[in-house]
Amino acid sequence: RKEVEQDPGPFNVPEGATVAFNCTYSNSASQSFFWYRQDCRKEPKLLMSVYSSGNEDGRFTAQLNRASQYISLLIRDSKLSDSATYLCVVLSGGYNKLIFGAGTRLAVHP
Amino acid sequence: ETGVTQSPTHLIKTRGQQVTLRCSSQSGHNTVSWYQQALGQGPQFIFQYYREEENGRGNFPPRFSGLQFPNYSSELNVNALELDDSALYLCASSTDRGNYGYTFGSGTRLTVV
Repeated sequence: RKEVEQDPGPFNVPEGATVAFNCTYSNSASQSFFWYRQDCRKEPKLLMSVYSSGNEDGRFTAQLNRASQYISLLIRDSKLSDSATYLCVVLSGGYNKLIFGAGTRLAVHP
Repeated sequence: ETGVTQSPTHLIKTRGQQVTLRCSSQSGHNTVSWYQQALGQGPQFIFQYYREEENGRGNFPPRFSGLQFPNYSSELNVNALELDDSALYLCASSTDRGNYGYTFGSGTRLTVV
């Protein structure tokens, strides 16, 4: 079983749609959680950290359920520029390595 | 504030050769990690350096080695290149061993033929 699992998609949605991505992780001792965005052939960029209380950044809302070891990302009012791969990332281990899911691809169309 | 810079951006090597990839960490960052990203997959952790010491390693063979210098820049060396080593190699830097997230460089795309 992979340490971080995501639905690979792709998710094809029209502009203005709301889309949700889910992620599960296997190590209950994991410390910190993030969503990264990666454009085609570019480096991953930190989208937002994920906190137990849930957190929001504009159109993006992230949730963490430690009991279920489940992380989610909700994107409201999708824009064409949101088209990218979204990587669920867990900071784990005594030396804080990032463990990435395989990514969920989002394509927003007009 | 400069970000993370990697060199070269692209590289083609022959199977069996050796390669050195370089990374300059973001100003003020003392932690550097290296990742390998094959096509269609998420990045895989190779190893991490914190204040010039290796303090974590992923499931990669010993022919993958690294260094971190006093200015916190870093090198990734790969010996005896194999075709499967073809990938995007990403360097990421952070403060405090990554508790607040990492900043990634734009990567080196290595092709082994």
